[in-house]
Amino acid sequence: DSGVTQTPKHLITATGQRVTLRCSPRSGDLSVYWYQQSLDQGLQFLIQYYNGEERAKGNILERFSAQQFPDLHSELNLSSLELGDSALYFCASSVELRGEQFFGPGTRLTVL
Amino acid sequence: GNSVTQMEGPVTLSEEAFLTINCTYTATGYPSLFWYVQYPGEGLQLLLKATKADDKGSNKGFEATYRKETTSFHLEKGSVQVSDSAVYFCALRGDYGGSQGNLIFGKGTKLSVKP
Repeated sequence: DSGVTQTPKHLITATGQRVTLRCSPRSGDLSVYWYQQSLDQGLQFLIQYYNGEERAKGNILERFSAQQFPDLHSELNLSSLELGDSALYFCASSVELRGEQFFGPGTRLTVL
Repeated sequence: GNSVTQMEGPVTLSEEAFLTINCTYTATGYPSLFWYVQYPGEGLQLLLKATKADDKGSNKGFEATYRKETTSFHLEKGSVQVSDSAVYFCALRGDYGGSQGNLIFGKGTKLSVKP
């Protein structure tokens, strides 16, 4: 158990819908990262927050957004969902900006 | 930009066989290099890491050496077990001023070990 929790574990929804994925980092970790794992694209970095502020963006679509709250948990919002958004979404956390990352178990999103 | 290339799988070995999974990288500056392992239905776990050239990372019998001259970080294990069956990811983290610490992953190599 890495200490990073993600909810829900599975999510099934329809095209055009909006979902929210939640991540709670390890106690004391200030940095949260979101990654997407899909069969065709592999593991890709989406976005990073550090102590509530956005610090880096990767291949994140404009339909996706995220935030980190004062209690340091983070949410990834995916809207206008398409079939191609079906993937495993991982959250990772680290103590510092470039620290060792610990991964959560992931949320599997299926868009029908 | 930064990138990681690792050998395509799947790799199927018999128990006690020698394992090598190749990984090469392209990066600006002097990145840190990692191997992560993903067991079925689970998240990624850090297996080993190396932060500078010629460093050797090791854990649970797995080893990898950071080779700057060949831009490689190949994963090896002398004798694999059935319990090593998993997907292995090579990754780099840019450790220069403009980098915020996100990881760049290879596509993963699935290893199956048969008894």
